[in-house]
Amino acid sequence: DAGVIQSPRHEVTEMGQEVTLRCKPISGHDYLFWYRQTMMRGLELLIYFNNNVPIDDSGMPEDRFSAKMPNASFSTLKIQPSEPRDSAVYFCASSSRPGGNYGYTFGSGTRLTVV
Amino acid sequence: AQKITQTQPGMFVQEKEAVTLDCTYDTSDPSYGLFWYKQPSSGEMIFLIYQGSYDQQNATEGRYSLNFQKARKSANLVISASQLGDSAMYFCALSSSGSARQLTFGSGTQLTVLP
Repeated sequence: DAGVIQSPRHEVTEMGQEVTLRCKPISGHDYLFWYRQTMMRGLELLIYFNNNVPIDDSGMPEDRFSAKMPNASFSTLKIQPSEPRDSAVYFCASSSRPGGNYGYTFGSGTRLTVV
Repeated sequence: AQKITQTQPGMFVQEKEAVTLDCTYDTSDPSYGLFWYKQPSSGEMIFLIYQGSYDQQNATEGRYSLNFQKARKSANLVISASQLGDSAMYFCALSSSGSARQLTFGSGTQLTVLP
């Protein structure tokens, strides 16, 4: 398996622009998580899905952020409009059985810079 | 609510020595899992080791072992025979089989292995 695939690896955009981050989970994993990593706040959960349905989006910082999972093999995280404080590394992770020894596999992350 | 505490922002260890990275946790779920991840400077999140709350024995994976003390709610990572390649950020994380399926991360410990 190719693992969790995120694209792009790096994104530089201007303030006010729309940004879309993409994630392909491991086949067969029915949980998908979006995390954000910053120096100030560490690793924080933004949202997670189970069987393509959003379960907990309490970590989404504000209405500028939205996430979708149209099918089992694809998810997007969109920021519109983007702001400099959104600069961070965004990780996607998937799991077949969270809480147990099936692990959470992380993608390589997308480093977002908003200027 | 779940909480993970890592009290060592930075640690130094001499090559070939053993080092212990501290982690304490808090959860109200009776069934949970504790994870350690390594994040090298390249940024990816690498799964190291897992301990289930009902596991009778401490988990081991090669040079990594987990010193699990359930009554004290601690899950310290022990790295034996440190190597230069062990220099990285290490995160402790908690997940439960109950309502909180996501991983909750600690703030991390930056380990530097000295030659």
